[in-house]
Amino acid sequence: DTGVSQDPRHKITKRGQNVTFRCDPISEHNRLYWYRQTLGQGPEFLTYFQNEAQLEKSRLLSDRFSAERPKGSFSTLEIQRTEQGDSAMYLCASSSQRGLDSNQPQHFGDGTRLSIL
Amino acid sequence: AQKITQTQPGMFVQEKEAVTLDCTYDTSDPSYGLFWYKQPSSGEMIFLIYQGSYDQQNATEGRYSLNFQKARKSANLVISASQLGDSAMYFCAMREGGSSASKIIFGSGTRLSIRP
Repeated sequence: DTGVSQDPRHKITKRGQNVTFRCDPISEHNRLYWYRQTLGQGPEFLTYFQNEAQLEKSRLLSDRFSAERPKGSFSTLEIQRTEQGDSAMYLCASSSQRGLDSNQPQHFGDGTRLSIL
Repeated sequence: AQKITQTQPGMFVQEKEAVTLDCTYDTSDPSYGLFWYKQPSSGEMIFLIYQGSYDQQNATEGRYSLNFQKARKSANLVISASQLGDSAMYFCAMREGGSSASKIIFGSGTRLSIRP
């Protein structure tokens, strides 16, 4: 079990540029989540996938944000026309879904820290 | 209204002492799960312990235990015999609902500092 992997670890870009982050979940996990965390706060939910289906999106996910999980394995989160307010840590997590047990813990990656200049 | 409330922004504790981190939650759903995560300065979120709303006993995992008081909607984390490596941010979190629910709501965290 190699854990949840995120790439890149850090991204610095100019305002207005597009950025894309990748997340590789734990291999047997069918659920994948994206969160955003700003300094001094807890993570805030953005969206989640069960297999390749995107089942829930937060109102925090504006039109400039898009997430995909085309084959039900890795996922990408793209931010278009970045703004300074997008500067944050973007965390990916995965979990398994076993029968009716809905309370499996989510296992997090190390995150991608985005800095907008 | 806040779903998860952590009233202690920061705590200092002497090494080897026990420490309790407070967490209260708000939900009208009878089915929910409560989680505690640790986030060291390196940034990764480490799952510590889980308590289900229907669990009869308080959860324990090594030096971590969860003091679950359902009527008070309280889920405090107790760390016994604290160690220097316990210094980190600690987040209480909740997931509401049954099998179709997956979003986790986090509190604002408590920064724990262990003094040698």
